[in-house]
Amino acid sequence: ILNVEQSPQSLHVQEGDSTNFTCSFPSSNFYALHWYRWETAKSPEALFVMTLNGDEKKKGRISATLNTKEGYSYLYIKGSQPEDSATYLCAFHAGNNRKLIWGLGTSLAVNP
Amino acid sequence: ETGVTQTPRHLVMGMTNKKSLKCEQHLGHNAMYWYKQSAKKPLELMFVYSLEERVENNSVPSRFSPECPNSSHLFLHLHTLQPEDSALYLCASSQDLRREQYFGPGTRLTVT
Repeated sequence: ILNVEQSPQSLHVQEGDSTNFTCSFPSSNFYALHWYRWETAKSPEALFVMTLNGDEKKKGRISATLNTKEGYSYLYIKGSQPEDSATYLCAFHAGNNRKLIWGLGTSLAVNP
Repeated sequence: ETGVTQTPRHLVMGMTNKKSLKCEQHLGHNAMYWYKQSAKKPLELMFVYSLEERVENNSVPSRFSPECPNSSHLFLHLHTLQPEDSALYLCASSQDLRREQYFGPGTRLTVT
Protein backbone atom coordinates (compact mmCIF):
# COMPACT_ATOMS: atom_id res chain seq x y z
CA ILE A 1 0.00 0.00 0.00
CA LEU A 2 1.46 3.35 -1.04
CA ASN A 3 1.36 5.93 1.73
CA VAL A 4 2.28 9.60 1.81
CA GLU A 5 2.73 11.21 5.23
CA GLN A 6 3.01 14.92 5.93
CA SER A 7 4.10 16.56 9.15
CA PRO A 8 3.22 18.51 11.07
CA GLN A 9 -0.52 18.39 10.49
CA SER A 10 -0.81 22.10 11.31
CA LEU A 11 1.49 24.95 12.11
CA HIS A 12 1.04 28.47 13.48
CA VAL A 13 3.89 30.95 13.00
CA GLN A 14 4.39 34.68 13.32
CA GLU A 15 4.89 36.93 10.31
CA GLY A 16 8.58 36.96 9.44
CA ASP A 17 9.32 33.50 10.84
CA SER A 18 10.85 30.90 8.57
CA THR A 19 9.29 27.48 8.63
CA ASN A 20 9.54 24.07 7.07
CA PHE A 21 7.54 20.88 6.84
CA THR A 22 8.03 17.34 5.68
CA CYS A 23 6.58 14.94 3.17
CA SER A 24 7.48 11.24 3.46
CA PHE A 25 6.83 8.82 0.62
CA PRO A 26 7.83 5.31 -0.50
CA SER A 27 11.51 5.18 -1.46
CA SER A 28 11.03 2.55 -4.15
CA ASN A 29 9.71 2.97 -7.67
CA PHE A 30 9.95 6.75 -7.50
CA TYR A 31 8.96 8.89 -10.48
CA ALA A 32 8.06 12.35 -9.16
CA LEU A 33 7.05 14.30 -6.08
CA HIS A 34 4.57 17.17 -6.39
CA TRP A 35 3.97 20.08 -4.00
CA TYR A 36 0.75 22.09 -4.12
CA ARG A 37 -0.58 25.05 -2.16
CA TRP A 38 -4.29 25.19 -1.37
CA GLU A 39 -5.62 28.45 -0.05
CA THR A 40 -9.05 28.58 1.51
CA ALA A 41 -11.84 29.17 -1.05
CA LYS A 42 -9.40 28.69 -3.93
CA SER A 43 -8.14 25.78 -6.04
CA PRO A 44 -4.99 23.78 -5.28
CA GLU A 45 -2.07 25.37 -7.12
CA ALA A 46 1.06 23.51 -8.23
CA LEU A 47 4.28 24.75 -6.64
CA PHE A 48 6.89 22.22 -7.72
CA VAL A 49 7.28 18.92 -9.52
CA MET A 50 10.53 17.27 -8.44
CA THR A 51 12.05 14.27 -10.15
CA LEU A 52 15.77 14.08 -9.35
CA ASN A 53 17.32 12.94 -6.09
CA GLY A 54 19.07 15.90 -4.46
CA ASP A 55 17.04 18.37 -6.47
CA GLU A 56 16.24 21.73 -4.97
CA LYS A 57 13.63 24.05 -6.43
CA LYS A 58 12.77 27.62 -5.51
CA LYS A 59 9.85 29.96 -6.15
CA GLY A 60 10.23 33.30 -4.43
CA ARG A 61 10.46 32.66 -0.69
CA ILE A 62 9.42 29.01 -1.03
CA SER A 63 11.88 26.24 -1.74
CA ALA A 64 11.82 22.45 -1.67
CA THR A 65 14.37 19.68 -1.48
CA LEU A 66 14.11 16.03 -2.44
CA ASN A 67 15.71 12.84 -1.13
CA THR A 68 14.38 9.89 -3.11
CA LYS A 69 16.68 7.33 -1.48
CA GLU A 70 15.27 7.89 1.97
CA GLY A 71 11.84 8.99 0.77
CA TYR A 72 11.35 12.53 1.99
CA SER A 73 10.97 16.07 0.75
CA TYR A 74 11.13 19.31 2.73
CA LEU A 75 9.27 22.50 1.91
CA TYR A 76 10.75 25.71 3.31
CA ILE A 77 9.16 29.12 3.57
CA LYS A 78 11.50 32.00 4.36
CA GLY A 79 10.08 35.04 6.14
CA SER A 80 6.46 33.84 6.25
CA GLN A 81 3.76 36.33 5.31
CA PRO A 82 0.02 36.17 6.10
CA GLU A 83 -0.66 35.44 2.44
CA ASP A 84 1.34 32.20 2.83
CA SER A 85 -1.45 30.85 5.02
CA ALA A 86 -2.74 27.77 3.22
CA THR A 87 -2.65 24.00 3.25
CA TYR A 88 0.47 22.61 1.60
CA LEU A 89 -0.06 19.23 -0.06
CA CYS A 90 2.48 16.81 -1.41
CA ALA A 91 1.72 13.98 -3.80
CA PHE A 92 3.84 11.00 -4.84
CA HIS A 93 3.96 9.65 -8.35
CA ALA A 94 5.19 6.05 -8.64
CA GLY A 95 6.95 4.94 -11.79
CA ASN A 96 4.43 2.30 -12.72
CA ASN A 97 1.33 4.23 -11.83
CA ARG A 98 -0.75 6.83 -13.58
CA LYS A 99 -2.11 8.47 -10.45
CA LEU A 100 -0.82 10.70 -7.69
CA ILE A 101 -0.98 9.50 -4.08
CA TRP A 102 -1.76 12.50 -1.92
CA GLY A 103 -0.83 13.38 1.65
CA LEU A 104 -3.26 14.99 4.06
CA GLY A 105 -1.39 18.28 3.94
CA THR A 106 0.15 20.69 6.42
CA SER A 107 -2.11 23.59 7.35
CA LEU A 108 -0.05 26.75 7.83
CA ALA A 109 -1.40 29.85 9.57
CA VAL A 110 0.78 32.96 9.59
CA ASN A 111 -0.23 35.53 12.18
CA PRO A 112 0.40 39.21 11.35
CA GLU B 1 -8.01 31.84 -12.50
CA THR B 2 -6.41 28.49 -13.32
CA GLY B 3 -7.98 27.91 -16.73
CA VAL B 4 -10.18 25.14 -15.34
CA THR B 5 -13.83 25.95 -14.63
CA GLN B 6 -16.43 23.90 -12.84
CA THR B 7 -20.20 24.25 -12.61
CA PRO B 8 -22.16 24.36 -10.48
CA ARG B 9 -20.11 25.60 -7.53
CA HIS B 10 -22.67 24.34 -5.03
CA LEU B 11 -25.25 21.58 -5.38
CA VAL B 12 -27.81 20.17 -2.99
CA MET B 13 -29.57 17.06 -4.17
CA GLY B 14 -31.84 14.40 -2.79
CA MET B 15 -30.91 10.73 -2.89
CA THR B 16 -33.30 10.06 -5.77
CA ASN B 17 -32.15 12.97 -7.95
CA LYS B 18 -30.00 12.84 -11.06
CA LYS B 19 -27.55 15.67 -11.62
CA SER B 20 -24.34 16.32 -13.53
CA LEU B 21 -21.17 18.19 -12.69
CA LYS B 22 -19.35 19.92 -15.51
CA CYS B 23 -15.68 20.73 -15.93
CA GLU B 24 -14.04 22.64 -18.77
CA GLN B 25 -10.36 23.37 -19.30
CA HIS B 26 -9.01 26.11 -21.54
CA LEU B 27 -5.36 25.05 -21.35
CA GLY B 28 -5.07 22.63 -24.25
CA HIS B 29 -4.32 19.79 -21.85
CA ASN B 30 -4.67 16.12 -22.75
CA ALA B 31 -5.52 14.65 -19.36
CA MET B 32 -8.44 15.38 -17.04
CA TYR B 33 -9.27 14.12 -13.57
CA TRP B 34 -12.11 13.92 -11.06
CA TYR B 35 -11.19 14.01 -7.38
CA LYS B 36 -13.28 13.73 -4.21
CA GLN B 37 -12.25 15.71 -1.14
CA SER B 38 -13.88 14.63 2.12
CA ALA B 39 -13.15 16.14 5.49
CA LYS B 40 -9.97 14.84 7.15
CA LYS B 41 -9.13 12.58 4.18
CA PRO B 42 -6.54 12.94 1.43
CA LEU B 43 -7.62 13.90 -2.03
CA GLU B 44 -9.18 10.77 -3.52
CA LEU B 45 -8.77 10.19 -7.23
CA MET B 46 -11.97 8.97 -8.88
CA PHE B 47 -11.36 8.97 -12.63
CA VAL B 48 -8.62 9.85 -15.08
CA TYR B 49 -9.04 10.51 -18.79
CA SER B 50 -6.14 10.83 -21.19
CA LEU B 51 -6.87 11.86 -24.77
CA GLU B 52 -10.56 11.25 -24.04
CA GLU B 53 -9.96 7.64 -23.02
CA ARG B 54 -10.62 6.57 -19.45
CA VAL B 55 -7.35 5.25 -18.05
CA GLU B 56 -8.17 4.96 -14.37
CA ASN B 57 -11.32 4.03 -12.53
CA ASN B 58 -10.46 3.94 -8.88
CA SER B 59 -13.12 1.50 -7.65
CA VAL B 60 -15.76 4.19 -7.70
CA PRO B 61 -19.40 3.14 -7.17
CA SER B 62 -21.51 3.00 -10.31
CA ARG B 63 -23.74 5.81 -9.04
CA PHE B 64 -20.91 8.07 -10.30
CA SER B 65 -20.60 7.98 -14.07
CA PRO B 66 -17.95 10.05 -15.90
CA GLU B 67 -18.13 11.28 -19.46
CA CYS B 68 -15.40 12.91 -21.53
CA PRO B 69 -16.83 13.99 -24.91
CA ASN B 70 -13.62 15.80 -25.92
CA SER B 71 -10.30 16.77 -24.39
CA SER B 72 -11.67 20.06 -23.03
CA HIS B 73 -14.78 18.82 -21.26
CA LEU B 74 -15.41 16.37 -18.48
CA PHE B 75 -18.69 15.50 -16.81
CA LEU B 76 -19.59 13.55 -13.70
CA HIS B 77 -23.12 12.21 -13.80
CA LEU B 78 -24.66 11.53 -10.41
CA HIS B 79 -27.67 9.36 -9.56
CA THR B 80 -29.10 7.81 -6.42
CA LEU B 81 -26.31 9.19 -4.28
CA GLN B 82 -25.92 8.57 -0.56
CA PRO B 83 -25.40 11.17 2.19
CA GLU B 84 -21.80 9.97 2.56
CA ASP B 85 -21.16 11.16 -0.99
CA SER B 86 -21.42 14.74 0.27
CA ALA B 87 -18.00 16.26 -0.40
CA LEU B 88 -16.05 18.72 -2.51
CA TYR B 89 -15.59 17.39 -6.04
CA LEU B 90 -12.56 18.79 -7.82
CA CYS B 91 -11.72 18.61 -11.49
CA ALA B 92 -8.14 18.95 -12.70
CA SER B 93 -6.25 18.83 -15.97
CA SER B 94 -2.62 18.36 -16.98
CA GLN B 95 -0.58 18.42 -20.15
CA ASP B 96 -0.05 14.68 -19.79
CA LEU B 97 -0.33 12.10 -17.03
CA ARG B 98 3.11 12.97 -15.62
CA ARG B 99 2.89 16.77 -15.36
CA GLU B 100 1.55 19.12 -12.70
CA GLN B 101 -2.19 19.35 -12.41
CA TYR B 102 -4.33 22.48 -12.66
CA PHE B 103 -7.44 22.42 -10.52
CA GLY B 104 -10.86 23.95 -10.87
CA PRO B 105 -12.62 25.63 -7.95
CA GLY B 106 -14.65 22.54 -7.11
CA THR B 107 -18.31 21.72 -6.63
CA ARG B 108 -19.50 21.51 -3.03
CA LEU B 109 -22.07 18.69 -3.11
CA THR B 110 -24.55 18.00 -0.34
CA VAL B 111 -26.75 14.92 -0.55
CA THR B 112 -29.84 15.08 1.66
